[in-house]
Amino acid sequence: QLQLQESGPGLVKPSETLSLTCTVSGGSISSSSYYWGWIRQPPGKGLEWITNIYYSGSIYYNPSLKSRVTIFADTSKNQLSLKLSSVTAADTAVYYCARLRRGITIFGLQPGGCFDPWGQGTLVTVSS
Amino acid sequence: QSALTQPPSASGSPGQSVTISCTGTSSDVGGSDYVSWYQQHPGKAPKLIIFEVSKRPSGVPDRFSGSKSGNTASLTVSGLQTEDEADYYCSSYGGSNNFVFGTGTKVTVL
Repeated sequence: QLQLQESGPGLVKPSETLSLTCTVSGGSISSSSYYWGWIRQPPGKGLEWITNIYYSGSIYYNPSLKSRVTIFADTSKNQLSLKLSSVTAADTAVYYCARLRRGITIFGLQPGGCFDPWGQGTLVTVSS
Repeated sequence: QSALTQPPSASGSPGQSVTISCTGTSSDVGGSDYVSWYQQHPGKAPKLIIFEVSKRPSGVPDRFSGSKSGNTASLTVSGLQTEDEADYYCSSYGGSNNFVFGTGTKVTVL
């Protein structure tokens, strides 16, 4: 079945760039029905949507993070990458990648949907 | 976009029912058919349990049900079991290809 695995440095210094990779197995990120997303969760807090990407390049961002986020889909490696620049302690969180399963109606593929499945997540701590 | 509002906690005894609310606005919950719910056990990734307001993925017990009225969505867990003790998050499509999550509710089985 589809599996997602996040990886990257667990510790990043303030003002530097956080870089993470999500490796997808058991399915292709080039599938036409799905977007792929990143969501984060600060320790002891709730979930925050960061960004979604379609393999062909359409990208959508949380407006509050847009200026600092870069996302890329590498179809040759079946991987997604996330970069978050100018990090502060507030960016300390578990970062998850997930497949966005979009809704389908008689009018075609809809922008809304649900995240399923999720990777196990990776904790990134921002500290000097 | 602001987080959807959920009660911080809810509880019930085994076999009882618990209902969790998720309040947004007409721009997200009230205006979207794409409200979903996620269950998260400590140290684990969230798991989808309800999508498109009231649909259950394969393998999710029918004890879990979802509904929506106006700007508020609800998740009901009937016949509470000890394994239902977890954090629950709602999520909604918020328009303009944006998504928003709820503040989360910790469910305790007494």
